[in-house]
Amino acid sequence: EPEVTQTPSHQVTQMGQEVILRCVPISNHLYFYWYRQILGQKVEFLVSFYNNEISEKSEIFDDQFSVERPDGSNFTLKIRSTKLEDSAMYFCASSAGVNTEAFFGQGTRLTVV
Amino acid sequence: GESVGLHLPTLSVQEGDNSIINCAYSNSASDYFIWYKQESGKGPQFIIDIRSNMDKRQGQRVTVLLNKTVKHLSLQIAATQPGDSAVYFCAETPRGSARQLTFGSGTQLTVLP
Repeated sequence: EPEVTQTPSHQVTQMGQEVILRCVPISNHLYFYWYRQILGQKVEFLVSFYNNEISEKSEIFDDQFSVERPDGSNFTLKIRSTKLEDSAMYFCASSAGVNTEAFFGQGTRLTVV
Repeated sequence: GESVGLHLPTLSVQEGDNSIINCAYSNSASDYFIWYKQESGKGPQFIIDIRSNMDKRQGQRVTVLLNKTVKHLSLQIAATQPGDSAVYFCAETPRGSARQLTFGSGTQLTVLP
């Protein structure tokens, strides 16, 4: 069964450092997303991406965040200067179309120290 | 503000009994609703979805009911099994949105032997 894969599973970084979280969406999907989940809290939308550009983004997705699809398979989330409050599980998701089932990856646990 | 929330944070049921998990939403523009299951350390897993032009949809052992009048969504799990133990999230997206899912806070379902 096709799945969304994310690497690494766990990333520890020092405050102020840049991190790149990587995702390989399902191959025939066209819509890509990043969500995050702070420990014990609900899953929050960060950004959606379609046709090589951002479709929607939340207030959380400020100038410190960026997304990129550098090639035909990868979808990345970059945090330029990490803060302690960026510590969370980051989930990548993809879907074939708008308002169709979104498949989530297993997540990357980001710990900022 | 607009929000999606859950009535109960925890639910314990006996194995073999039916489970009902409830969710309230407040965004009247919500057009598409999804139930996700999240096991510890894993990403959200799609269970079932329903569009706003329907009031009931059935899957394998699961049924979703949508009451647009009172903005209420429920997930019914028949013959609950130990493997159903997880956190269940409802999520919604407004019409025309590029899949900006808004998640509820989750209900922890525990299946007792």
